[in-house]
Amino acid sequence: GAGVSQSPSNKVTEKGKDVELRCDPISGHTALYWYRQSLGQGLEFLIYFQGNSAPDKSGLPSDRFSAERTGGSVSTLTIQRTQQEDSAVYLCASSFLNYGYTFGSGTRLTVV
Amino acid sequence: GDSVTQMEGPVTLSEEAFLTINCTYTATGYPSLFWYVQYPGEGLQLLLKATKADDKGSNKGFEATYRKETTSFHLEKGSVQVSDSAVYFCALSWMDSSYKLIFGSGTRLLVRP
Repeated sequence: GAGVSQSPSNKVTEKGKDVELRCDPISGHTALYWYRQSLGQGLEFLIYFQGNSAPDKSGLPSDRFSAERTGGSVSTLTIQRTQQEDSAVYLCASSFLNYGYTFGSGTRLTVV
Repeated sequence: GDSVTQMEGPVTLSEEAFLTINCTYTATGYPSLFWYVQYPGEGLQLLLKATKADDKGSNKGFEATYRKETTSFHLEKGSVQVSDSAVYFCALSWMDSSYKLIFGSGTRLLVRP
C-alpha cells in the first residue's frame, strides 16, 4: 500500500492476556520503528529495526515486550501478560535512510 | 541524556492569531530538529525540519529556526486557521545510522473560528 498500515486499529484486552500488534511498512523502507504514546505523554521510543542488523531494543520498558520483523518487512510487537499501564497508542513508522519517517495511524490498546 | 521540552497545552487561539509553540532541547552536539503534527484521527506527519544551526524549516505557513545559542526550535505561524487545530510534537534526531527520534510531550493547539 501507499502508507504504513497498522492492525488492529483498536484492541481491548483483559489484564494478564497477551496481545500482538502488527505493522506493514512501506515497501522498500529499510528501517522500522515502534513508539508508544501514552495519555498526556510524548512519544516513547520502543524498538528499531534496520535491514538485517540486530534490532535496537533499548526502549523496551520490560521483558514482557518483544518485537520481530520477518523478511525485512512486516513487524509484530508482542506484549505478554498485559498490565493496565500498557494502555497506550502504539505507533509504527518506517523510513528509507534519512528521508524522513512515515507513521501509521497507530493501534489504541486498552487493558481492562 | 538527550531530551526535548515543549510548552504545555492546550494553546487556544482565535482564527488569524499569531502562533508560537516553544521547544527547547538538551543534547551534546547539534542534532537535527523536527516538528511533527498529528491531526485528529490521523497519524503523525512531518511538518518541517532543520538539520544544522541557523537553518529555518518552513511548510504550510509554519516556520521554525534552529537556534544553537538558546538550544531552541520554536514553531511560529503568522495567522492560524481552524484547520491547524492539532497536536504538535517537537523532536530531535542524530543523523547516525538509526535516525531514532526523541520527542517532546506534544502541544495541543485549538483554533476557534
